[in-house]
Amino acid sequence: NAGVTQTPKFQVLKTGQSMTLQCAQDMNHEYMSWYRQDPGMGLRLIHYSVGAGITDQGEVPNGYNVSRSTTEDFPLRLLSAAPSQTSVYFCASSQTRAAQGTQYFGPGTRLTVL
Amino acid sequence: AQKVTQAQTEISVVEKEDVTLDCVYETRDTTYYLFWYKQPPSGELVFLIRRNSFDEQNEISGRYSWNFQKSTSSFNFTITASQVVDSAVYFCALSEGGGNDMRFGAGTRLTVKP
Repeated sequence: NAGVTQTPKFQVLKTGQSMTLQCAQDMNHEYMSWYRQDPGMGLRLIHYSVGAGITDQGEVPNGYNVSRSTTEDFPLRLLSAAPSQTSVYFCASSQTRAAQGTQYFGPGTRLTVL
Repeated sequence: AQKVTQAQTEISVVEKEDVTLDCVYETRDTTYYLFWYKQPPSGELVFLIRRNSFDEQNEISGRYSWNFQKSTSSFNFTITASQVVDSAVYFCALSEGGGNDMRFGAGTRLTVKP
């Protein structure tokens, strides 16, 4: 099993550009989530999904969209990038929802918005 | 609202010293889950332990041990005989039983010097 994979590993955007961060897992996990990690703030939940077709907002959802058309994939879209979105983004998955299960994290995507 | 506080921003020890990382949490739920994750310099997040609110038994895994005390809302992590490979950022996290959110502390950066 590859576990949780994320692409790209690094990305530089200009303000106003859009892009999609890809996340995939091959463990047949129902729960998937996106976090951002900023210095001194730990990880903060952006969006999560409890199954295909079901998504919901986390602690910091503004500026991001998600969809979950399959169990395996959970892409994160930045519609109009802003410098405040410069961060490291982690995708995670869990066999059960985060409150009960252990989340397994991808390697992260380092995003810089100029 | 759920909250996790890791008051120690950085800790530096010399190899073979014991070190304790503090974690204090806040929640109104009676059912909740506590986690510790390790983030080595390579950047990935490694799961260490999960504990539910009904199990206050302390846990030991090799040189790692965890002390869960509901009376003080703390879930502290001790590394015995620290090694250079223990150098990392350690995160404590909390999930409430009724929700899908996970809140992380800001992390403690541990440096173990040879």
